[in-house]
Amino acid sequence: DAKTTQPTSMDCAEGRAANLPCNHSTISGNEYVYWYRQIHSQGPQYIIHGLKNNETNEMASLIITEDRKSSTLILPHATLRDTAVYYCIVRYNFNKFYFGSGTKLNVKP
Amino acid sequence: DVKVTQSSRYLVKRTGEKVFLECVQDMDHENMFWYRQDPGLGLRLIYFSYDVKMKEKGDIPEGYSVSREKKERFSLILESASTNQTSMYLCASSLFGVGQQPGLRIFGPGTRLTVT
Repeated sequence: DAKTTQPTSMDCAEGRAANLPCNHSTISGNEYVYWYRQIHSQGPQYIIHGLKNNETNEMASLIITEDRKSSTLILPHATLRDTAVYYCIVRYNFNKFYFGSGTKLNVKP
Repeated sequence: DVKVTQSSRYLVKRTGEKVFLECVQDMDHENMFWYRQDPGLGLRLIYFSYDVKMKEKGDIPEGYSVSREKKERFSLILESASTNQTSMYLCASSLFGVGQQPGLRIFGPGTRLTVT
């Protein structure tokens, strides 16, 4: 059980911000939200994670709602190289790491 | 730049062959994992190891074995390859301990194995 819901696909214009939503309404109090992405035929790449507060790193920003039932990954200036499948993950056991179906982000020129 | 490397990107083997997939990480991580990824099924954990010579079964260990003789190296072995083991195999590592993030994985580039 992936415990997350994401749109199947999204489009974004190059240079614009990409906002990828994720619902995780059954998240428990100590579960973190992780975001990974997978470019075609490559291994998944870690992007960012958070618990309650919004987080930002060199790749992206993560906005988590106050009730923690949903989050949004923001790529501030999407490039063609950001075209990938983006996975929102809620880990609930050390060896349970369900990627779910993810969102296919298409960045267009 | 820290990384996880896998011995092959693409591999073609025949049914019944013994297959070795090697994974090496340079981050001194305690934990290493082997997953397979199939369309519509996501990532499924085969085995993981939390220390040298230690291993634990994941969700789908049947038909596989593993070896971890050194901290940096984790091998996946298909004892007798079958066509239903055709898949993308992903190795990952992570640091684990008090204060660490057990959900943080560094993945390798993957090995696409075809068994004919």
